Amino acid sequence: QVQLVDSGGGVVQPGRSLRLSCAASGFTFSSYGMHWVRQAPGKGLEWVALIWFDGSFKYYADSVEGRFTISRDNSKNTLYLQMNSLRAEDTAVYYCARETTVTYFFDCWGQGTLVTVSS
Amino acid sequence: QSALTQPASVSGSPGQSITISCTGTSSDVGAYNYVSWYQQHPGKAPKLMIYDVSNRPSGVSNRFSGSKSGNTASLTISGLQAEDEADYYCSSYTSSSTRVFGGGTKLTVL
Repeated sequence: QVQLVDSGGGVVQPGRSLRLSCAASGFTFSSYGMHWVRQAPGKGLEWVALIWFDGSFKYYADSVEGRFTISRDNSKNTLYLQMNSLRAEDTAVYYCARETTVTYFFDCWGQGTLVTVSS
Repeated sequence: QSALTQPASVSGSPGQSITISCTGTSSDVGAYNYVSWYQQHPGKAPKLMIYDVSNRPSGVSNRFSGSKSGNTASLTISGLQAEDEADYYCSSYTSSSTRVFGGGTKLTVL
């Protein structure tokens, strides 16, 4: 069945880096745009980044532009989020989510991985 | 990239109907018919309930419906049931090719 599995979260000090992964299965990964969406503790959803199905275009929220990099390896069916210069306000559960190439909604989500930025 | 505006909370009794609003701008909600709605139970990942303003994915109850007028989209849940109690988020495509979410609405079934 269609599945997205998020991993890589943990506790990290401010200013350090972390890389999240999202392993996809049950569908043709290379045909889908992929997003990262985060949710701070007790807060709402915040869109973070998008990468096109072929990696040709990438978009970021203002809050992470220049610090986070979204990437994908279609040969490994895996999405990544490289997070640098982490701040306390980046503390959140990070979800990957897929979107078809001709639509603008998230039809499948990972289970989320918690990132805690704290000294 | 300001968040879409949703009421913080709504409530209703079983069997009643409720509506959650989602207000954006002419650069997102008002510009495109690409508003979607998500249901999130505590500790769970969001679930798609409505896409493209008013379309329901397979498997979603027809008690859920969506609409849009100008810069405001709405989610209506009819025949409220206990299991509908959850947080609901709207989302829209934007003129910058990014996405934006609403702040979320907590639905309480009394």
